[in-house]
Amino acid sequence: QKEVEQNSGPLSVPEGAIASLNCTYSDRGSQSFFWYRQYSGKSPELIMFIYSNGDKEDGRFTAQLNKASQYVSLLIRDSQPSDSATYLCAVASGSARQLTFGSGTQLTVLP
Amino acid sequence: SAVISQKPSRDICQRGTSLTIQCQVDSQVTMMFWYRQQPGQSLTLIATANQGSEATYESGFVIDKFPISRPNLTFSTLTVSNMSPEDSSIYLCSVSDRGTDTQYFGPGTRLTVL
Repeated sequence: QKEVEQNSGPLSVPEGAIASLNCTYSDRGSQSFFWYRQYSGKSPELIMFIYSNGDKEDGRFTAQLNKASQYVSLLIRDSQPSDSATYLCAVASGSARQLTFGSGTQLTVLP
Repeated sequence: SAVISQKPSRDICQRGTSLTIQCQVDSQVTMMFWYRQQPGQSLTLIATANQGSEATYESGFVIDKFPISRPNLTFSTLTVSNMSPEDSSIYLCSVSDRGTDTQYFGPGTRLTVL
């Protein structure tokens, strides 16, 4: 059974702070890792993907991957109220690269 | 990324009926997937829609309940059969292309079963 676990939150941070979202996964054969943002009533929107150990930065977002620890994280710098959403960690594995999603972390950025 | 549309966007159905959800992509894609998101929950993969062959279902999902078609590389349907209130969910299709694992999601279909 492939499992992806996230700290369920909710997580609140003040505007301008760094939000840190964490995710662990059980399948050591997982190849690709994704962060999606989902606003209430909307479908998931891709934020970041990462394939290799280390950090990957895109604007205010940094994804970090540690395959040895089976851990992936997302940092959001200079958090804005518009970042308030549920963040879903997803892990791809299997021949068809099916995605297994974590339960999501609800983030609120307080003005 | 591809532009994905779903029809209907929402529906309210009676117990025991069936609903077919359509997913249309504006370009040919290798992989299409169907997910369910129950109220307050995360996404669960129902099946991979395979072009020209039967869909591949995940544990807990069966073809009789969720028949899927994929007649070409831009279109797929998911039918929710013999519905019960427990089927009330958002149903999402996603697509990815060969050589990448990245999946992009359609806007979803919000289904309420009374």
